[in-house]
Amino acid sequence: DTGVSQDPRHKITKRGQNVTFRCDPISEHNRLYWYRQTLGQGPEFLTYFQNEAQLEKSRLLSDRFSAERPKGSFSTLEIQRTEQGDSAMYLCASSLGSGVNEQFFGPGTRLTVL
Amino acid sequence: KNQVEQSPQSLIILEGKNCTLQCNYTVSPFSNLRWYKQDTGRGPVSLTIMTFSENTKSNGRYTATLDADTKQSSLHITASQLSDSASYICVVIGDKNQAGTALIFGKGTTLSVSS
Repeated sequence: DTGVSQDPRHKITKRGQNVTFRCDPISEHNRLYWYRQTLGQGPEFLTYFQNEAQLEKSRLLSDRFSAERPKGSFSTLEIQRTEQGDSAMYLCASSLGSGVNEQFFGPGTRLTVL
Repeated sequence: KNQVEQSPQSLIILEGKNCTLQCNYTVSPFSNLRWYKQDTGRGPVSLTIMTFSENTKSNGRYTATLDADTKQSSLHITASQLSDSASYICVVIGDKNQAGTALIFGKGTTLSVSS
C-alpha cells in the first residue's frame, strides 16, 4: 500500500454514460497526476495538478474528460459520454515538492465500457 | 522522438533462477531513470531511481544498472520468487521542468516465475 487510494476500484458502465473517479493522494503531497493504462502498455500521462492548479494536460485529454482538485487534496476525474475506447485502467499518482520527484501510484480504477 | 523500449516483452523463468530485463531509451534531455514493478490489477511500485551519475543501484534482490553513454539500463533479479511475477516498467524522466510529459514509460516486461 503506497498511501494513495482510488475509488472505485472497478467500474462497468454503458456507452454514453458519465463516470467519475476519485483519488486521495498522500496527505502532504502537493502534486497529483492522472494516467491511463491499456492492456500491455505503459501508463500514459493525462494531466497533473500542483495543489489545486491544473498545470498540464495531455492531448489525450479530450473535451469529454475533466479533472478537478478543488482544495488541493483529493482529485476527481470525470469522463462524459463514455466510449468503448475509454476502457482502461485509470491510475492516480502523487509526489512531493517541485520537479519530477518520485511518484507514488494508487491501485487504479479499472473502467469497462460496454 | 523520446522513446523507451523494453525487452523482452515477456519472460518465463523457474523459481530460484536469475533474470535480466533490458531498457533502451532515446530520451533527451535525461534527468533520471526508474524501474517500477506492477502486479496485475495494481498500480506501479517504485523499485529503483537512478540519476545520470549513478551506474548501479540495488534494492534487495533487484539490481538496476545504467549506462548513460549507450542509453541502456538493465534490471537484474536474483533468486527469483513466485511473488516476482509482475510487469516491470522502465520510466525515463526527460525535461524535469515538464512534470507531466517528462515521464516516458516503456511498455513493460511481463515476468512469470513458475515453481
